[in-house]
Amino acid sequence: DIQMTQSPPTLSASVGDRVTITCRASQSIRSWLAWYQQKPGKAPKLLIYKASSLQSGVPSRFSGSGSGTEFTLTISSLQPDDFATYYCQQYNNYLYSFGPGTKLEIK
Amino acid sequence: QLQLQESGPGLVKTSEILSLTCTVSGGSVSSSPYYWAWIRQSPGKGLQWIGTVESSGTTYYSPSLKSRVTISVDTSKNQFSLNLSSVTAADTAVYFCARGGPGFPFYFDYWGQGALVTVSS
Repeated sequence: DIQMTQSPPTLSASVGDRVTITCRASQSIRSWLAWYQQKPGKAPKLLIYKASSLQSGVPSRFSGSGSGTEFTLTISSLQPDDFATYYCQQYNNYLYSFGPGTKLEIK
Repeated sequence: QLQLQESGPGLVKTSEILSLTCTVSGGSVSSSPYYWAWIRQSPGKGLQWIGTVESSGTTYYSPSLKSRVTISVDTSKNQFSLNLSSVTAADTAVYFCARGGPGFPFYFDYWGQGALVTVSS
């Protein structure tokens, strides 16, 4: 199984800040990585797929990068609606796995 | 706009079968190249992929749950279903249905709102 880790577990930031979340895979997953945003009581929402492709309708302040085993999600200028928990997910094979999440909190 | 909606009992007794159905609207479970998945979320284990079914009925299951899981698709009703047998308290979670695609390998682009299932004696 491919294990996913994320750092930091919690991130405190202010509106307007630029923030970066890191996701690491236990083995190479090439570019088969997605990022999701989840708010309390809601389903995860797809933000990024194939490591850096922005899902339709997602604001351009979200961007993704990386390949192999290390990936990042960057929010260029935090907006009030962005405070949520973010998950990465690998889909290198059919044994899909998610990272433990990064909770983005208001400072 | 594609929508998915989970339905089923919110409370299941220990050792019994957890059964959920996902109804798809605004699209078809027969659409290619899409796949239909169940994912659960519990406080202790985060998000966990349970399994996936294609419109052909081909299934893929998480190895850790494979012995207890059955996922099926009913194209006539535009639904797919999850059965999880011999449940314990550890199976208490919010269960999401989701669409995977397009093509393989896939990410999950549409999700249901989730259904909380509590396992208790």
